Amino acid sequence: QQQVKQSPQSLIVQKGGISIINCAYENTAFDYFPWYQQFPGKGPALLIAIRPDVSEKKEGRFTISFNKSAKQFSLHIMDSQPGDSATYFCAASGKDSSYKLIFGSGTRLLVRP
Amino acid sequence: EAGVTQFPSHSVIEKGQTVTLRCDPISGHDNLYWYRRVMGKEIKFLLHFVKESKQDESGMPNNRFLAERTGGTYSTLKVQPAELEDSGVYFCASSRIIKKKGTEAFFGQGTRLTVV
Repeated sequence: QQQVKQSPQSLIVQKGGISIINCAYENTAFDYFPWYQQFPGKGPALLIAIRPDVSEKKEGRFTISFNKSAKQFSLHIMDSQPGDSATYFCAASGKDSSYKLIFGSGTRLLVRP
Repeated sequence: EAGVTQFPSHSVIEKGQTVTLRCDPISGHDNLYWYRRVMGKEIKFLLHFVKESKQDESGMPNNRFLAERTGGTYSTLKVQPAELEDSGVYFCASSRIIKKKGTEAFFGQGTRLTVV
């Protein structure tokens, strides 16, 4: 049973475009929603995270939109750059599970020059 | 500050052999997690240590997997005997003691295990 569903599986965007990755979760006890970025040969690195008491969080070109009633959250990358090409994972966790991360299946993003 | 270190970075072993993976967390991080990603699927939780104690091992696939964390420092994950389906990338992550919602977990670069 996959508790966090992520789409699309892969995404190709032109430089300067907007990349959008979507995730949906099932467990209403989740209260922490991070996005991780992973480059080949490296481990996942925290990109940005949100808690359910806000509907949006922005850090530079990266924005998380959060819809608590729909149990969905998404990552928007504005002005996408070739250096953003990586695999992106959404995740969710909660206090009742010691904040172990439940990951989505990942999205491979390619930003064309 | 050194990050989470894992080794080996790659391991190729034959079915039936034993492999031990090691993780050195960030100094001072009491939480240590093991995760695994198999062939393009999601990264799945294996287990969680708080210091030297196993807090949650609900994700361990079976009794061929044994994790230890000596003295609350580094951790090892042993697979014995290895099977083909154990192939994947094993990640270790560490974080500070949880005092508020969602403390950041730092990941190592992973160990790519191939069982042939």
